[in-house]
Amino acid sequence: GAGVSQSPSNKVTEKGKDVELRCDPISGHTALYWYRQSLGQGLEFLIYFQGNSAPDKSGLPSDRFSAERTGGSVSTLTIQRTQQEDSAVYLCASSSNGGASAYEQYFGPGTRLTVT
Amino acid sequence: QKEVEQNSGPLSVPEGAIASLNCTYSDRGSQSFFWYRQYSGKSPELIMFIYSNGDKEDGRFTAQLNKASQYVSLLIRDSQPSDSATYLCAVARRKLIWGLGTSLAVNP
Repeated sequence: GAGVSQSPSNKVTEKGKDVELRCDPISGHTALYWYRQSLGQGLEFLIYFQGNSAPDKSGLPSDRFSAERTGGSVSTLTIQRTQQEDSAVYLCASSSNGGASAYEQYFGPGTRLTVT
Repeated sequence: QKEVEQNSGPLSVPEGAIASLNCTYSDRGSQSFFWYRQYSGKSPELIMFIYSNGDKEDGRFTAQLNKASQYVSLLIRDSQPSDSATYLCAVARRKLIWGLGTSLAVNP
């Protein structure tokens, strides 16, 4: 079946502009995660959705970052007034609900964001 | 102390050898442990997971848990150049807590 998809694959934007990153999870997966990975760095958790709700948004770096999920499916991560330190690969992952399988996360290919 | 720690490496092994990757965790109550592989420029992919009730073998990969010493290991037998990647350890605690990864290089 289809995996997690993300768009765009690459995004170059000017400092101060807003960007929207999209994630389409695996069909039927109720949990959705956003991560950020800077060059040579580990995974930085941003936010977790269960259905359309976000019970854990503790990783969002500032109020310039927001995310929503609609219909229990597609999610959008929005970064307002982008800064150069926002440059990174933004990864989306999904997992099914229930027990330990909730932690078996399947990642999309990522969106490489470059802020100039 | 970080919650999940890994030696950043690089760990270099010859082709055909056993590669041993370790990950230590701080929460003694952790129950589920995950290994992901990340090729350069690619996304992480799940390769193995184990629970606190025992070790697990899958093909050339074996995951082992040492609860007393609070570490998990990933053994890769008959290492191949295609195994060269960064291996990420993650521990489940309401969400996955990630290590920074160990870089493995398998030399032909």
